[in-house]
Order: sequence, then C-alpha cells, then structure tokens
Amino acid sequence: ETGVTQTPRHLVMGMTNKKSLKCEQHLGHNAMYWYKQSAKKPLELMFVYNFKEQTENNSVPSRFSPECPNSSHLFLHLHTLQPEDSALYLCASSPGQGAGTEAFFGQGTRLTVV
Amino acid sequence: DQQVKQNSPSLSVQEGRISILNCDYTNSMFDYFLWYKKYPAEGPTFLISISSIKDKNEDGRFTVFLNKSAKHLSLHIVPSQPGDSAVYFCAARKTSGSRLTFGEGTQLTVNP
Repeated sequence: ETGVTQTPRHLVMGMTNKKSLKCEQHLGHNAMYWYKQSAKKPLELMFVYNFKEQTENNSVPSRFSPECPNSSHLFLHLHTLQPEDSALYLCASSPGQGAGTEAFFGQGTRLTVV
Repeated sequence: DQQVKQNSPSLSVQEGRISILNCDYTNSMFDYFLWYKKYPAEGPTFLISISSIKDKNEDGRFTVFLNKSAKHLSLHIVPSQPGDSAVYFCAARKTSGSRLTFGEGTQLTVNP
C-alpha cells in the first residue's frame, strides 16, 4: 500500500474509445500529478494540480483531459487516442511545494491503444 | 532539451560490491535532487534526496553525493544486494516549485 492508488492497472482501448484513469491518494497531500512513461524515455510530467487547481499543463494534447474534483482524487479522461499514446501513466502526490516534499507514486496504469 | 541525464542505461555489479549510479543536470536553478527506485509493474518509490546546500547525504547503505560545480550527482549503494536490482531514476527540482524533472533511468542488476 503506497498511499496512492491507481485504477485500472491495465487498459486496452481502441482509438475511438473514451476511457478514464483514476487516482486516489490517502496521504493528505495538496499536490497531484500525472506523468507518462514511455519505453526508454524519462518520466514526462503532464499535469500538476495544487489544491484542486491546475497549475501546469506541459503542452499535453487535448485528447488527454485531467480532472481534479478534490485534493484526494485525480482523473485522466482519454478520447481518440493514438497508438503512440501507449505507455505507463503514473499518478503522484506530494504535500505541496518546496524542498523536502518528495512525490509518492501510484503503481501506474499500463495503457495500450490499438 | 533534457535537463537531467543518466548516461548509463544499465549497470551490472556483483553482490557485496559497490554500485555507483551517475546523473548530470544542466539547469543551475535546480537545488533539490532525489533518487527513486522502480521495480517492474510498480510505481517509482522515493529512496534518498539531497539539498544543494549539502554535498553528501547518507541513509544506511545509500549515499548521494552532489558536486554543484560539475552539476553532477551520484548514488552509491554499498554493499549491493540482489534485491537492489531495479531501475533507478534521478530527479531534480527547484525549491520554488513542486515539479520533478527526471532522468531516463539506469537499470541496476546485482548478481548473486
């Protein structure tokens, strides 16, 4: 139990499907993040939320749509994805900004777009 | 423009010996550095960190060294154990923000 839970763990979707990834943190943190990990690439930050407000969008295509209804939950809505979007999507949370605020990661959702 | 680089995609060491994982960065605004470990099918887990006001931080078998002038940090694991086999990510952050910039990761294999 890492304190950050992601569902589903695996997802296969067609390019015309609409699906959502869910993340929940039980750590009382104020910041939540979506990262993408593609093969042999660094983790890429996608979105940052602080106190439910989006503070960063790292030039992510609009086919990825985040939602943060409260500080404990984060969603990533997916629609009309491309095969190259297949990757491991990681959610993370941290207490907030500043030194010492290490991010805690969920186990990730392995997404395959067919 | 990759601001955090781990130039060795893989490293193999014998059990009981020292593992040294390296990381270089280019952004002089980074002042807090972290190492994460990742096992297959799991998310990264925080291992150890260091602030730019220090040049060394030790936690059990793990020590991180920071050379600010060279913009280089390294993670030493001694003695290495087979359970240390994982991908190790270096990450950096500015104090004023919360976002982490990650390196590509180094796959460490510790052979029994």
